[in-house]
Amino acid sequence: GESVGLHLPTLSVQEGDNSIINCAYSNSASDYFIWYKQESGKGPQFIIDIRSNMDKRQGQRVTVLLNKTVKHLSLQIAATQPGDSAVYFCAENPTGGFKTIFGAGTRLFVKA
Amino acid sequence: DAGITQSPRHKVTETGTPVTLRCHQTENHRYMYWYRQDPGHGLRLIHYSYGVKDTDKGEVSDGYSVSRSKTEDFLLTLESATSSQTSVYFCAISIPGEYEQYFGPGTRLTVT
Repeated sequence: GESVGLHLPTLSVQEGDNSIINCAYSNSASDYFIWYKQESGKGPQFIIDIRSNMDKRQGQRVTVLLNKTVKHLSLQIAATQPGDSAVYFCAENPTGGFKTIFGAGTRLFVKA
Repeated sequence: DAGITQSPRHKVTETGTPVTLRCHQTENHRYMYWYRQDPGHGLRLIHYSYGVKDTDKGEVSDGYSVSRSKTEDFLLTLESATSSQTSVYFCAISIPGEYEQYFGPGTRLTVT
């Protein structure tokens, strides 16, 4: 399948534990942030989003936290499962237009 | 992959040859994008389209051209392929007013 990246930051967690993936974004004017998941050989898949007027948003087993003061975004995955093994990207949309900026990604390994 | 297909899925070509990659969607979404993904760089926008025959450049558009004659098809052309264009190419679509993008399965292109 398509390779995503050979030298990505890596997080290794035990199955059942919680995972926290961090991301620093670049533009303090960014209004919208998204987390994507990319499994080996596939395209990125939308997980969850958050607007700049929010600090926290929860989905199914996932929570995104936004700290605008330090321009930091995190994705928390509860009770991590083997199927969560993938590369996770944060993305920001600075202008509300077409040009989304993607981070380089973090590879999550889940140990059974 | 949200009704998005890409063809071919894999291609090996020689330096200097023209190459066209096709993205086809069945969702009737107005906005379409072409990205390349390389180790250490995440996803970088090549070109995007906001309607039939309406296209614009992204951050890494040099050496690439696009065409969109129908809502469902967005073509990416490398006029004269170079080794630096060896990459995985992803097509994406989005709905006006929404920032999340839906990605195709990708095309791995190798230029020898």
